[in-house]
Amino acid sequence: DTGVSQNPRHKITKRGQNVTFRCDPISEHNRLYWYRQTLGQGPEFLTYFQNEAQLEKSRLLSDRFSAERPKGSFSTLEIQRTEQGDSAMYLCASSLVEGASREQYFGPGTRLTVT
Amino acid sequence: DQQVKQNSPSLSVQEGRISILNCDYTNSMFDYFLWYKKYPAEGPTFLISISSIKDKNEDGRFTVFLNKSAKHLSLHIVPSQPGDSAVYFCAATPEGINNAGNMLTFGGGTRLMVKP
Repeated sequence: DTGVSQNPRHKITKRGQNVTFRCDPISEHNRLYWYRQTLGQGPEFLTYFQNEAQLEKSRLLSDRFSAERPKGSFSTLEIQRTEQGDSAMYLCASSLVEGASREQYFGPGTRLTVT
Repeated sequence: DQQVKQNSPSLSVQEGRISILNCDYTNSMFDYFLWYKKYPAEGPTFLISISSIKDKNEDGRFTVFLNKSAKHLSLHIVPSQPGDSAVYFCAATPEGINNAGNMLTFGGGTRLMVKP
């Protein structure tokens, strides 16, 4: 399977703990995006990378959140000192900037539950 | 401030009939629009897209129509099948410099139920 993969699929943690999620994009894609989706809402943009450079961050991304894409391949999203409001589905997507196409392809997501 | 809105949270249609899902947007900078389908416990799956230079794009049973003056787009599925039952999201993105960014702004989704 050459789609976007995310690990873990589910994470339950206690408030105040740190968590880290991983995303492996489609191999030839140079852009990688993180989104967050809460129940009954559409996904909301968090941040994106072009190769290894983090080019934009949403105001939703508080200073407890950090994302990296060290070699321009996989990416990690870390949340420090988790809060109950961080409970959501965290989605990763990748795309290839080529011509006029702007489709993004999503992974299955990591569902975070903060107790 | 919701820049992309899907005003119908749910839609029920009979198998074989047409499903029409609607989406409105407010940001005039949006010039590329996408529809995604989402099953429970899965990520969104890309369905079809349309650039603002077109008013229609068709792919098999799926057709997207764009009315720029009304800032409205719709997804038509015909004929509808039970396997089409899912949540459908429309998304929009602005033209950036050299396609910079292109982060997607999503609507809240419409749950489609196709009854056999």
